[in-house]
Amino acid sequence: DTEVTQTPKHLVMGMTNKKSLKCEQHMGHRAMYWYKQKAKKPPELMFVYSYEKLSINESVPSRFSPECPNSSLLNLHLHALQPEDSALYLCASSQVGVAYEQYFGPGTRLTVT
Amino acid sequence: GENVEQHPSTLSVQEGDSAVIKCTYSDSASNYFPWYKQELGKRPQLIIDIRSNVGEKKDQRIAVTLNKTAKHFSLHITETQPEDSAVYFCAAPRPNAGKSTFGDGTTLTVKP
Repeated sequence: DTEVTQTPKHLVMGMTNKKSLKCEQHMGHRAMYWYKQKAKKPPELMFVYSYEKLSINESVPSRFSPECPNSSLLNLHLHALQPEDSALYLCASSQVGVAYEQYFGPGTRLTVT
Repeated sequence: GENVEQHPSTLSVQEGDSAVIKCTYSDSASNYFPWYKQELGKRPQLIIDIRSNVGEKKDQRIAVTLNKTAKHFSLHITETQPEDSAVYFCAAPRPNAGKSTFGDGTTLTVKP
């Protein structure tokens, strides 16, 4: 299996809602990433997990809360988001130490109303 | 930290022509340089990469060249086709940081 999957594909949420984004990979990768991508911009790194432990937090607001329950799954919990958080949220995975060869999921298109 | 500059930001070519996208980087420790293609509404996909000890790598119509002294690397697409139309991102990994820095992207349009 050489694919990273993400659910849901689309999500519309109000500013008071709580929702979660899910990511799954079965490539045996032990590094997993969350990115935020605005239209026509590069992916912007949010979090990195290495061996299921949070290794990088790029000063992301606490309304985004990542979780890595096991080596195949990565979640992003969302609470009290702002309209400017509307974006494509991409998950990626790679071998640890091989950040240059990342495999991306299809993304979740998030709209905050 | 690593700084990656990518040019041009937009590129329009006629079908069959060649396209060249260039990136420069600042961290001399960077040692592996990938290129990603992102079609509209889809995920970024790794299309080619090059190690720092290699000057050029080819895969069918795409090639990447690296000049480590000048700290730049380029993506070359020959015999372009409409399906090559996409946004292309270069990236430079930060070897000890566990992450990559992406260029700002180049929107390539291939006109039939």
